[in-house]
Amino acid sequence: KTQVEQSPQSLVVRQGENCVLQCNYSVTPDNHLRWFKQDTGKGLVSLTVLVHENDKTSNGRYSATLDKDAKHSTLHITATLLDDTATYICVVGDRGSALGRLHFGAGTQLIVIP
Amino acid sequence: DMKVTQMPRYLIKRMGENVLLECGQDMSHETMYWYRQDPGLGLQLIYISYDVDSNSEGDIPKGYRVSRKKREHFSLILDSAKTNQTSVYFCASSSTEISGNTLYFGEGSRLIVV
Repeated sequence: KTQVEQSPQSLVVRQGENCVLQCNYSVTPDNHLRWFKQDTGKGLVSLTVLVHENDKTSNGRYSATLDKDAKHSTLHITATLLDDTATYICVVGDRGSALGRLHFGAGTQLIVIP
Repeated sequence: DMKVTQMPRYLIKRMGENVLLECGQDMSHETMYWYRQDPGLGLQLIYISYDVDSNSEGDIPKGYRVSRKKREHFSLILDSAKTNQTSVYFCASSSTEISGNTLYFGEGSRLIVV
């Protein structure tokens, strides 16, 4: 059973618009949560890591929140650019060490059009 | 330089042939991973290596084996490839403490088995 669900599955926005990507999970324990960006045909690049209850992070136009009580995270992208076109993947780690497991969502495909 | 390098990037093999996928990292990370990515699914862990000659099966190890003789190098071997092993394979590396921003992915090796 998938333990990390991302929505929407795909999303089309116009350049300059904002968008919000959702990640719901059932992983227990939930030590940390990461968001990755994957360009077509490329590897995963880390955008942010959230660790604590009600964590909020900001990385340029990307910002993320984590609600551990609700087991829910959001990734906000403001003023989208064409280069934001990519798949965004939510990953939940059940431990803070490599002895734990990383649980991957299937991703949200974002397409930014002119 | 903080990089994970995979070779080859693209590979076409006939069913029954052997396949060697190679991965290197320049960060002296103890832990290295092999994942596969299939459409509509999250990344699935094939094998994890905690250090030289310290390898453990992941969630889908059947049909694969690994070799880690040097900390910076981790190989994935398919003995007698099958068509259902057509996929994109990703190598990753991390320090033992992974809740921080210390998880890096290669660009992927795209394998087609015909």
